[in-house]
Amino acid sequence: QLQLQESGPGLVKPSETLSLTCTVSGVSIRSSTDYWGWIRQTPGKGLEWIGSIDYSGNSYYNPSLKSRVTMSVDTSKNQFSLKLKSVTAADTAVYYCAREVRSFDFWGQGILATVSS
Amino acid sequence: EMVLTQTPGTLSLSPGDRASLSCRASMSVSSSFLAWYQQRPGQAPRLLIYGSSSRATGIPDRFRGSGSGTDFTLTISRLEPEDFAVYYCQQYSSSGFTFGPGTRVDIK
Repeated sequence: QLQLQESGPGLVKPSETLSLTCTVSGVSIRSSTDYWGWIRQTPGKGLEWIGSIDYSGNSYYNPSLKSRVTMSVDTSKNQFSLKLKSVTAADTAVYYCAREVRSFDFWGQGILATVSS
Repeated sequence: EMVLTQTPGTLSLSPGDRASLSCRASMSVSSSFLAWYQQRPGQAPRLLIYGSSSRATGIPDRFRGSGSGTDFTLTISRLEPEDFAVYYCQQYSSSGFTFGPGTRVDIK
């Protein structure tokens, strides 16, 4: 059974970089033609897609976040990662990783990332 | 930019009732790329419907998706206690993914 698990610091200071990792189990990212995505959720803006990446590093991002987002993949660890730079309080959210098949069929449980000094 | 509007914002119904949830897009959406999710409190969203009308694995047949173009509907034929939750539609286009604001189905 495919499972995803987010990890990373729960607290980030304003202007710094939020870094999160998603560990995939039950399938090898290297052998999958699927994309892997990040989605965040806030009470104010609801669900917001951040970006998606495949095993070879091909990625595409939400145009509204593109200037601040970098995603990467580590097939040796079966992980993919998100970096969001220059964060503000508006980036406080629950961040989910998920498998992307033009919809999102498997999700991690989510991780709350708070931006605060 | 594609915008999805969901109505109503809240639907108050009783177990056994039929629920009809609407998702309207600001531009035409390929039926292949319209999905519906259910989210219960404290949980991640769960994929219910993809390709506007195909049920995801393990989703009971009381959930039905329909529609095309800019108008899509999720129908729950008879509400079970576990169906009281928030429902989101989502579309994929060349600009990426957009989610609707959600419809909350609560117990009347």
